[in-house]
Amino acid sequence: SQQGEEDPQALSIQEGENATMNCSYKTSINNLQWYRQNSGRGLVHLILIRSNEREKHSGRLRVTLDTSKKSSSLLITASRAADTASYFCAPHAGGTSYGKLTFGQGTILTVHP
Amino acid sequence: EAQVTQNPRYLITVTGKKLTVTCSQNMNHEYMSWYRQDPGLGLRQIYYSMNVEVTDKGDVPEGYKVSRKEKRNFPLILESPSPNQTSLYFCASSEFSYNEQFFGPGTRLTVL
Repeated sequence: SQQGEEDPQALSIQEGENATMNCSYKTSINNLQWYRQNSGRGLVHLILIRSNEREKHSGRLRVTLDTSKKSSSLLITASRAADTASYFCAPHAGGTSYGKLTFGQGTILTVHP
Repeated sequence: EAQVTQNPRYLITVTGKKLTVTCSQNMNHEYMSWYRQDPGLGLRQIYYSMNVEVTDKGDVPEGYKVSRKEKRNFPLILESPSPNQTSLYFCASSEFSYNEQFFGPGTRLTVL
């Protein structure tokens, strides 16, 4: 199945700085989704970008998608301590993998006050 | 309130004792899925269901069973749990497989 691989595995920044996380995948996709997980809790959907979109914004979040490079990035601007969490990408493929959604290991973001 | 609920939230059991983790959603979603999360391995999909009576294997289905008799419920069954099934389990639902998924709060299972 299609699996996203996030990079870096861990990111530590100061409050107010921007945080950028990257995701790479292997095959063509219908869309790519980003999720956030606070320690031990269920994942929360952040943003979905379709394969025909290049960039999408939601509040302080900006997601880009480059299908030629099979990669996506999530930018959190003006980070806050409350943004401390793990972030996962989930590429959604079509075809025989239509029902499958595989997450990577995630990026652990720590924002220091 | 739109939500996915799971029960129990915590469970300690012994090897071989059959158990069921329930999952229910109130959003009339077609698609439901089970994941397990282990340190260093991320989330891995166990089983998913595109609709009532339609289920299929994810990446790690061994040792698990599911059923989808009603749209709102998608229980995960461990017929004979083993210690390697100790994990944090999440149920999720979405309108269709390609939409955003709503996750339950998780079930932390320990098999001794």
